[in-house]
Amino acid sequence: GENVEQHPSTLSVQEGDSAVIKCTYSDSASNYFPWYKQELGKRPQLIIDIRSNVGEKKDQRIAVTLNKTAKHFSLHITETQPEDSAVYFCAAPNSGYALNFGKGTSLLVTP
Amino acid sequence: NAGVTQTPKFQVLKTGQSMTLQCAQDMNHEYMSWYRQDPGMGLRLIHYSVGAGITDQGEVPNGYNVSRSTTEDFPLRLLSAAPSQTSVYFCASSYTTSQPQHFGDGTRLSIL
Repeated sequence: GENVEQHPSTLSVQEGDSAVIKCTYSDSASNYFPWYKQELGKRPQLIIDIRSNVGEKKDQRIAVTLNKTAKHFSLHITETQPEDSAVYFCAAPNSGYALNFGKGTSLLVTP
Repeated sequence: NAGVTQTPKFQVLKTGQSMTLQCAQDMNHEYMSWYRQDPGMGLRLIHYSVGAGITDQGEVPNGYNVSRSTTEDFPLRLLSAAPSQTSVYFCASSYTTSQPQHFGDGTRLSIL
């Protein structure tokens, strides 16, 4: 999307290692930051989200952190497993009600 | 509760043909949107709607039209198909942009 940048575009880790994906956004009015996982040939599905009044949120092995001052948020996956291999997208709404997505990160977890 | 239903799942068109991609949701969501997904380009917003009778353009609207006559349906029309419109199209819905998006299974469109 025009106001969401995502890095890296590809990421390869060994099983058990951690993975971190970062996104930056430009619209200071953005207040909701979701992360989606898309397996090959499937639809994107929400895995975790965070709102602007919270700095960190965890759900088992995944966590999201938000730095509103710097306008960036990150996805952290710990103890990675082969089934975590997928494309991950971040997103942020702009003040005009459009939800824009990053270009995605292809994560490969090797046994 | 079927969620978001997209039809067709696959379609092949010839350059210059027109067609409508259908999207319907049964969750009473106000916000609906269309994205296209191309390799390395992520999900790019084509058009969106915040409620019946209201539509707006996203990042890549050229060559596409939408309408929202009911809360449930949000069809996407290709006016004159071009090879550059070959893509996978996803429809999504939610209560607002600050709520989780529910995606359909996608329509894989090829234009020759």
